[in-house]
Amino acid sequence: SQQGEEDPQALSIQEGENATMNCSYKTSINNLQWYRQNSGRGLVHLILIRSNEREKHSGRLRVTLDTSKKSSSLLITASRAADTASYFCATDAERGGADGLTFGKGTHLIIQP
Amino acid sequence: DVKVTQSSRYLVKRTGEKVFLECVQDMDHENMFWYRQDPGLGLRLIYFSYDVKMKEKGDIPEGYSVSREKKERFSLILESASTNQTSMYLCASSFFVFNTEAFFGQGTRLTVV
Repeated sequence: SQQGEEDPQALSIQEGENATMNCSYKTSINNLQWYRQNSGRGLVHLILIRSNEREKHSGRLRVTLDTSKKSSSLLITASRAADTASYFCATDAERGGADGLTFGKGTHLIIQP
Repeated sequence: DVKVTQSSRYLVKRTGEKVFLECVQDMDHENMFWYRQDPGLGLRLIYFSYDVKMKEKGDIPEGYSVSREKKERFSLILESASTNQTSMYLCASSFFVFNTEAFFGQGTRLTVV
């Protein structure tokens, strides 16, 4: 079952602009993570935010978490062509005995040069 | 650097064949996971393992089995491949189940004809 849902499904912006992606989830979580996937490749971990944190930064990335609204956002500032990829949020809510990250369907980000 | 290696990038198999997808990690991680990724459906967990010889079903285990005889190796087995198992398969590993990032392999694109 899908836990996280990213919004929008696709986003196209000009190089240098900021890109914002959102993620909503349904159940209580321990942490929320964001991953990037370049076309046809595996996923690469970007950032992890714990349920007791509200905001976290890593380079040009800023992640917020609002557990009351069960939502998170990923902001990429000063976007570059190399940021073109799909971005996924993932949560680690227990799945009735079986564990593991649950991923959303992703936001496909295109940075126009 | 943590490395998760999947044995093949591309694989073409015939319907009814038994298919083995191999995954090896070099960081002594306890947990290993198999996901499949399909357009519009995102990543879905097939099986995961939290120790040698231990396995847990994920969201879509039907038609698959797994083997973990050694800590570093986690194999996904398609007992009798079918065309609806054509997909991208992603292996991942992590040190802890919670509050830790997952490291992904490069993916195996399997086509069943």
